[in-house]
Amino acid sequence: DGGITQSPKYLFRKEGQNVTLSCEQNLNHDAMYWYRQDPGQGLRLIYYSQIVNDFQKGDIAEGYSVSREKKESFPLTVTSAQKNPTAFYLCASSSLGSYNEQFFGPGTRLTVL
Amino acid sequence: AQSVTQLDSHVSVSEGTPVLLRCNYSSSYSPSLFWYVQHPNKGLQLLLKYTSAATLVKGINGFEAEFKKSETSFHLTKPSAHMSDAAEYFCVVIGRGNEKLTFGTGTRLTIIP
Repeated sequence: DGGITQSPKYLFRKEGQNVTLSCEQNLNHDAMYWYRQDPGQGLRLIYYSQIVNDFQKGDIAEGYSVSREKKESFPLTVTSAQKNPTAFYLCASSSLGSYNEQFFGPGTRLTVL
Repeated sequence: AQSVTQLDSHVSVSEGTPVLLRCNYSSSYSPSLFWYVQHPNKGLQLLLKYTSAATLVKGINGFEAEFKKSETSFHLTKPSAHMSDAAEYFCVVIGRGNEKLTFGTGTRLTIIP
């Protein structure tokens, strides 16, 4: 089956620890994205990548880091510098070109204790 | 610059009655517009999209939306609500040549039995 997988579904971490969220896609999409979702808000873009070994900051990149070593994978690290990391994190991918829909993974809920 | 405003944060309708979820947009260019649906603790699924073809767009699960340039609106409708329609709905805009999506803050749809 083609799609996007995110793991784990739920993640608990202590304050001050870095944590890495996994995102894998087998849709052969060039572009991948990370969003953060908080209650009562829309999705906010953290980072995106349109090609392997290249990525750009989104609207709320501070305290996060990413890598894109393979086309299929776009892991997100939430660092201790992120002031309020508890949130629902969504990964997406799309083909390049205008107006292409983004396909979303099931999300990871991160809770920092 | 582009933005979307979802005019209602919460809509409640009785099962079998019509659904109307309102969205206004702002864009410097001819926009492409999407409606996504999110069930609790899940990723987002595309309902429908407008990309400058027909102004009345039909989507999945009986939903449709009409693009009205004069009113800068893209309201989502369904003739008869079903219990399974209970979810969060997001209106999204993407500008010409811009791969980044701008999300509205969402409308939570509740279906009353």
